[in-house]
Amino acid sequence: DQQVKQNSPSLSVQEGRISILNCDYTNSMFDYFLWYKKYPAEGPTFLISISSIKDKNEDGRFTVFLNKSAKHLSLHIVPSQPGDSAVYFCAARSNDYKLSFGAGTTVTVRA
Amino acid sequence: NAGVTQTPKFQVLKTGQSMTLQCAQDMNHEYMSWYRQDPGMGLRLIHYSVGAGITDQGEVPNGYNVSRSTTEDFPLRLLSAAPSQTSVYFCASSGPTSGRGGNEQFFGPGTRLTVL
Repeated sequence: DQQVKQNSPSLSVQEGRISILNCDYTNSMFDYFLWYKKYPAEGPTFLISISSIKDKNEDGRFTVFLNKSAKHLSLHIVPSQPGDSAVYFCAARSNDYKLSFGAGTTVTVRA
Repeated sequence: NAGVTQTPKFQVLKTGQSMTLQCAQDMNHEYMSWYRQDPGMGLRLIHYSVGAGITDQGEVPNGYNVSRSTTEDFPLRLLSAAPSQTSVYFCASSGPTSGRGGNEQFFGPGTRLTVL
């Protein structure tokens, strides 16, 4: 049973606009949430994270929001750039440091 | 630092053959793990290790063995390959202070395995 779900397999956005990626989880014991970005034929690379005790974390064009009561997090990319076209994975960490991943969302940024 | 390295990049096996996927890291990370990525499934944890001599099962361990004799190396063995093991395999490592995220996992480039 998947504990981390990304219900949108794909997202298309125009360059310069905002990209919003969503992620839901079921395990209330997750203590850390991470977003990874993956290009074809490469391994995932870390993008941004948030602790379960916070509700927002920003890093440049990337912001992650956490709503613990709804067990929902989102990643905002503003403004979107062509180099942002990739697969984005949401991941959640349990207290034994294991990561559970969502299925991924493929983002395409149109010129 | 080379980071996390994986060999081979590609491999084709016949059903029943065995092989070992190699993974090495030079960051002195204690935690290492193996994932497989399948379409529509994300990354699923196969086995992990919290230090040399210590390994444990993840979400999908059947058909795979691991060992951790050194901090640097964490090989994944397929004992008798099956078509269901056709996938892309990623090795990852992390330590208590790795990355901005704290315990951020660094991934290797992956091994694409096809079992006929």
